Amino acid sequence: GAGVSQSPRYKVAKRGQDVALRCDPISGHVSLFWYQQALGQGPEFLTYFQNEAQLDKSGLPSDRFFAERPEGSVSTLKIQRTQQEDSAVYLCASSLTGFPYEQYFGPGTRLTVT
Amino acid sequence: KNEVEQSPQNLTAQEGEFITINCSYSVGISALHWLQQHPGGGIVSLFMLSSGKKKHGRLIATINIQEKHSSLHITASHPRDSAVYICAVRSGNSGGSNYKLTFGKGTLLTVNP
Repeated sequence: GAGVSQSPRYKVAKRGQDVALRCDPISGHVSLFWYQQALGQGPEFLTYFQNEAQLDKSGLPSDRFFAERPEGSVSTLKIQRTQQEDSAVYLCASSLTGFPYEQYFGPGTRLTVT
Repeated sequence: KNEVEQSPQNLTAQEGEFITINCSYSVGISALHWLQQHPGGGIVSLFMLSSGKKKHGRLIATINIQEKHSSLHITASHPRDSAVYICAVRSGNSGGSNYKLTFGKGTLLTVNP
């Protein structure tokens, strides 16, 4: 079946704009993760959903970042009042719940804030 | 100090060479992942292991839990193996956060023809 998809693939925003990044997980996957990957770095955890419940948002860098998954499927990561330091690739991953937690990654959204 | 350290950061090889990428970690883990990322592309999971050794085609991954060290080997390397290889560890915390991955910075491998 289809893998994890993300849209848009590329987004350029002017500083101060709000952006919304979408993730479509693999059908039936209960767990959904968002990661931020700065240039030349490994991904860093942002937040985790199990179905519609956001169980961990400890990695969100500021209150400008907000994520939701209202029906337990598609998720949206919203960044308000974007700053230059928000420029990164935002990766979404999904997995079936329970061990071994194999995660399947989407292609990412490259956000550039000018 | 980063919880997950990879070496080398960059690696250039000639086609056919045997490649080794190393990963050391400082925390207790329940599993270790090796991932591949092509430029502009998403991440593909290569291996997930918690002990011993796994092999898939020309790729071999080993882990030594006592030494907190893992290696990824590529035999008979090919230019299409050129990518960033990332090591990630899953917490061994039984308190419920063992879904969380901590990633290394990645190793950029370039295989020349």
